[in-house]
Amino acid sequence: AQKITQTQPGMFVQEKEAVTLDCTYDTSDQSYGLFWYKQPSSGEMIFLIYQGSYDEQNATEGRYSLNFQKARKSANLVISASQLGDSAMYFCAMRERLYNNNDMRFGAGTRLTVKP
Amino acid sequence: NAGVTQTPKFQVLKTGQSMTLQCAQDMNHNSMYWYRQDPGMGLRLIYYSASEGTTDKGEVPNGYNVSRLNKREFSLRLESAAPSQTSVYFCASSDRDFTDTQYFGPGTRLTVL
Repeated sequence: AQKITQTQPGMFVQEKEAVTLDCTYDTSDQSYGLFWYKQPSSGEMIFLIYQGSYDEQNATEGRYSLNFQKARKSANLVISASQLGDSAMYFCAMRERLYNNNDMRFGAGTRLTVKP
Repeated sequence: NAGVTQTPKFQVLKTGQSMTLQCAQDMNHNSMYWYRQDPGMGLRLIYYSASEGTTDKGEVPNGYNVSRLNKREFSLRLESAAPSQTSVYFCASSDRDFTDTQYFGPGTRLTVL
């Protein structure tokens, strides 16, 4: 079964606007961590933000925030004030405590294009 | 700190040839991982090493072997390369807890003809 679902293969946003990238996940574990990574055209995987299942507050890191809705099992990434350098692939991922806690499962990714 | 390093960056093999991808980390992490990334897909785990001296299969282990040489180094070997192994390979490291972030190397782009 697909653990991580990213339903938006591609997204476009105007420079300086905010954009939300969707991520839903499937787990029966109560303890898990959710991660977002950015992959620019150069290919490296860059860690952006982390949300723990027990965290009561939504995570924020600079222009990145995570809209965490536990009951809906969604962990959407919000990028505020988009910049041209934000154009990249974005991956949502999850690690579960009980399911082989060394295994990070990734979604298929969303390609974000920021228009000038 | 170099973080996670991988060699080589690019490689072209003929079907049936063998090669080893090297990975090293300087973050004193216990766990190391090998992933492959194919077009239109996220990363899929090939093998991982939870700690020095242990290795386990991930989601797509067939056709690969690994060696955890020491705490810093984790290599991936293709014994007899096949065109289906054309992919981008990433090494990563982290601490063991499910809350720990994995940090990735720059990747190796492998083409098997």
